[in-house]
Amino acid sequence: GQQVQQSPASLVLQEGENAELQCNFSSTATQLQWFYQSPGGSLVSLLSNPSGTKHTGRLTSTTVTKERRSSLHISSSQTTDSGTYLCAMNRGSALGRLHFGAGTQLIVIP
Amino acid sequence: ETAVFQTPNYHVTQVGNEVSFNCKQTLGHDTMYWYKQDSKKLLKIMFSYNNKQLIVNETVPRRFSPQSSDKAHLNLRIKSVEPEDSAVYLCASSWGQNTGQLYFGEGSKLTVL
Repeated sequence: GQQVQQSPASLVLQEGENAELQCNFSSTATQLQWFYQSPGGSLVSLLSNPSGTKHTGRLTSTTVTKERRSSLHISSSQTTDSGTYLCAMNRGSALGRLHFGAGTQLIVIP
Repeated sequence: ETAVFQTPNYHVTQVGNEVSFNCKQTLGHDTMYWYKQDSKKLLKIMFSYNNKQLIVNETVPRRFSPQSSDKAHLNLRIKSVEPEDSAVYLCASSWGQNTGQLYFGEGSKLTVL
């Protein structure tokens, strides 16, 4: 089956520092998405980036398809960035077949 | 702004009881999903519905059954809950099955005693 490994499992940063989150997957991804889950549990889609580099606000995702890895860079972290970041991929196209990693828990302290 | 609504958000029950979770989306999407998130935060797809037709059923136990009255609603019924059913159940929707963005509800946390 398709495996998604995220690292680190948890990360503690001082406000203003940058965060680098990694996602490695076992098969070529047609779909690669990053999600944010708040401490309260609500989950939102951040970026869809199956290949190349994509920016949105303070987030930059870089996916190297051939190497089966993606990263999420958060610049100038804020306390409100605290939560869990989930990577999800699929070899095919169906959103319903996205395979999620266990996430990176980010804690940003003031 | 929440557009995928789940009820109840919390439910505590005993082994063997029946539980239902409701989900409604106001985004006009045609595809809805139920995910299970376990204690290790791992999210797994359970069901997916596109225009009231089941399109994914990921080998969940038979005591779980999805119910859809229209494309804006997808409920989840669990007949005779087991302790391993304790988890957060997340409903999501999207426009189309293959592209675009998933929109999630707040989740329904089930505790089975």
